Amino acid sequence: SYELTQPPSVSVSPGQTATITCSGDKLGDKFVSWYQQKPGQSPILVLYEHNKRPSGIPDRFTASTSGNTATLTITGTQTLDEADYYCQAWDYIIDVVFGGGTKLAVL
Amino acid sequence: LQLAESGPGLVKPSETLSLICTVSGGSVSTSNMYWAWIRQPPGKGLEWIGSIYHSGSTYYKSSLQRRVTISVDKSKNQFSLRLKSVTAADTAVYYCARERHQLRLTHSGVDVWGLGATVTVSS
Repeated sequence: SYELTQPPSVSVSPGQTATITCSGDKLGDKFVSWYQQKPGQSPILVLYEHNKRPSGIPDRFTASTSGNTATLTITGTQTLDEADYYCQAWDYIIDVVFGGGTKLAVL
Repeated sequence: LQLAESGPGLVKPSETLSLICTVSGGSVSTSNMYWAWIRQPPGKGLEWIGSIYHSGSTYYKSSLQRRVTISVDKSKNQFSLRLKSVTAADTAVYYCARERHQLRLTHSGVDVWGLGATVTVSS
C-alpha cells in the first residue's frame, strides 16, 4: 500500500519560516493537499493541487512538490499556526492517502 | 455547506458500526463532489475509509474493503457508513467530508468536514 512519510514534529520561532516535508513514491505525479488540524477541531484544507489556496487561507501558506517530496512552507509563522499538519495524496490508483502528520510547535 | 454526523457513540465488539452524514446547504447530487468517511483514532492521524458519488459509485480503502459499505440517500440528502465486525482498533473520531474531483481525473482536496462523531468499540 502507498505510504506518505512526515516528520513527527517541527519547531519554529515566531516570525520565522516553517518547513514541513512529506515523502512518497512518485509524489510529484499525484495530486497533493495539505491540512491543518488544531486540538479538538476538524481538519481544515490549507492547500490543494500542490499549491492552490482555498479562500480564506493566508498567503503565508505555500507548498511545492518535486519528485518524491512535497513541502509545506509557512512564512512569517504565527503562534496561531501551531497545529498538526497532514499531507495527502491522490491518484486514481491509490485514491486518498494521508501522511502520519507533523506537529508544528511555534516557540 | 455543512455536514453533520450522527449515530451511536458506543458499539460492541463484533457488531456493526453505523453512521449517517446529513448534508445541509448543498446537495449530495452536485457534480464532481464525492462524499467521504475519514477516521482518526485517539492521538493518531487521519485515515481515509472510502467515498461515494451520487451515482452510487463507491471507492474504499483496500484494507477495509471487506468490512465497509458506504451508501447514499439522495431523497434525504444523506450518506452513510457501515463498518462490520468492529474491534477496539476501530475506536476513533469518524468524520464525514466532501472531496472535490473533476471527472475523477483530478483531486482538489477534502474541503468540507463535519465536526466528527466519536465512536468507541467496547463491551
